[in-house]
Amino acid sequence: EPEVTQTPSHQVTQMGQEVILRCVPISNHLYFYWYRQILGQKVEFLVSFYNNEISEKSEIFDDQFSVERPDGSNFTLKIRSTKLEDSAMYFCASSEVTEVRPEQYFGPGTRLTVT
Amino acid sequence: DAKTTQPPSMDCAEGRAANLPCNHSTISGNEYVYWYRQIHSQGPQYIIHGLKNNETNEMASLIITEDRKSSTLILPHATLRDTAVYYCIVRVGPSNTGKLIFGQGTTLQVKP
Repeated sequence: EPEVTQTPSHQVTQMGQEVILRCVPISNHLYFYWYRQILGQKVEFLVSFYNNEISEKSEIFDDQFSVERPDGSNFTLKIRSTKLEDSAMYFCASSEVTEVRPEQYFGPGTRLTVT
Repeated sequence: DAKTTQPPSMDCAEGRAANLPCNHSTISGNEYVYWYRQIHSQGPQYIIHGLKNNETNEMASLIITEDRKSSTLILPHATLRDTAVYYCIVRVGPSNTGKLIFGQGTTLQVKP
């Protein structure tokens, strides 16, 4: 079965550094999402993306964050200047969003540790 | 999206049915009930969804009450690998392209 992949699985960075988290959504999906989960807390929505533009973003997704689909397969989340509180699991998801297959498929996540 | 209420935790014996309840008393007529689960720190996984009829797939069954104010996810023969946090999410769908709003969910512990 096709799956969403994410790289790296674990990223350690120093505060103030830029990080790029990468995702390869399922090939025929058109809707892409980023979520994050701080240790011990709920999964939180960050941003959704369709047709090469942001569809919706949360309050968390401030100017430090950006998303891009640089080619036909990758979907990236960039954090320009990381803060300690950005430490979390970041999940990418994709979806066809059809009557038959409405679910969002999640990747395994990237654990970001900011020191 | 309507608010849901789930018990924070439940135990189930391996091989027995796990019945996970969810209350959604403010659900609207066009809102569906979705269930996802998250095993350890993995990405959430879709299980099943329904509007008003009971639904069954290879993973689980979903029973929605006639007034649609509550539902139950049933894992018919729970295994140790079903230990996870289960999320009940009510949202407009199924062609809904919007975000999923996760609550705290129910932590199901399947015991040998």
